[in-house]
Amino acid sequence: GAVVSQHPSRVICKSGTSVKIECRSLDFQATTMFWYRQFPKQSLMLMATSNEGSKATYEQGVEKDKFLINHASLTLSTLTVTSAHPEDSSFYICSATADSPEQPQHFGDGTRLSIL
Amino acid sequence: QKEVEQDPGPLSVPEGAIVSLNCTYSNSAFQYFMWYRQYSRKGPELLMYTYSSGNKEDGRFTAQVDKSSKYISLFIRDSQPSDSATYLCAMSSNTGGFKTIFGAGTRLFVKA
Repeated sequence: GAVVSQHPSRVICKSGTSVKIECRSLDFQATTMFWYRQFPKQSLMLMATSNEGSKATYEQGVEKDKFLINHASLTLSTLTVTSAHPEDSSFYICSATADSPEQPQHFGDGTRLSIL
Repeated sequence: QKEVEQDPGPLSVPEGAIVSLNCTYSNSAFQYFMWYRQYSRKGPELLMYTYSSGNKEDGRFTAQVDKSSKYISLFIRDSQPSDSATYLCAMSSNTGGFKTIFGAGTRLFVKA
């Protein structure tokens, strides 16, 4: 149980393109979803937390106009990297928790984004 | 000082060895403790989830929490090459709004 699906797994695109990444909870309702960024050989860096039907809460230093997050339903959250540039190239991972907030996060398999 | 300290390794062991992975933390309010395994180019996978102090066993994996020492461990018995991955500890508390704090991760290599 507690499966999180993330799509696409790999994106290569030109600078200036906007890229949308989807995160779905397949077998549970995700009250809260999280978006992380991970650089090679480094730990997870939390970008934002989103609750269904409300605006996402962004971590300090994360541009909300650059990284648009939509959590339209209890099973789907999307991250859109707008006008992506090479410095946005990274591994983006989503996670979700079910029911009560003390429950552990379950992660998707990540999206490797490469901006040329 | 980081809230959660974890030695990044790498840790290299022969197949069949007992592996000990550890994290220390500074916030005594942490109540929920997790261990995740992350293979290269994949998302973290939840291995163990414990509440408060004590031990929890699941197959070859044992998680220990010592709140008095602010120290948690993950033991892997009879390690296999397929255990080679990065292991991240994580913890949260209700007083912190259940925000999960992750360790930096320890890279483990199990040699056949």
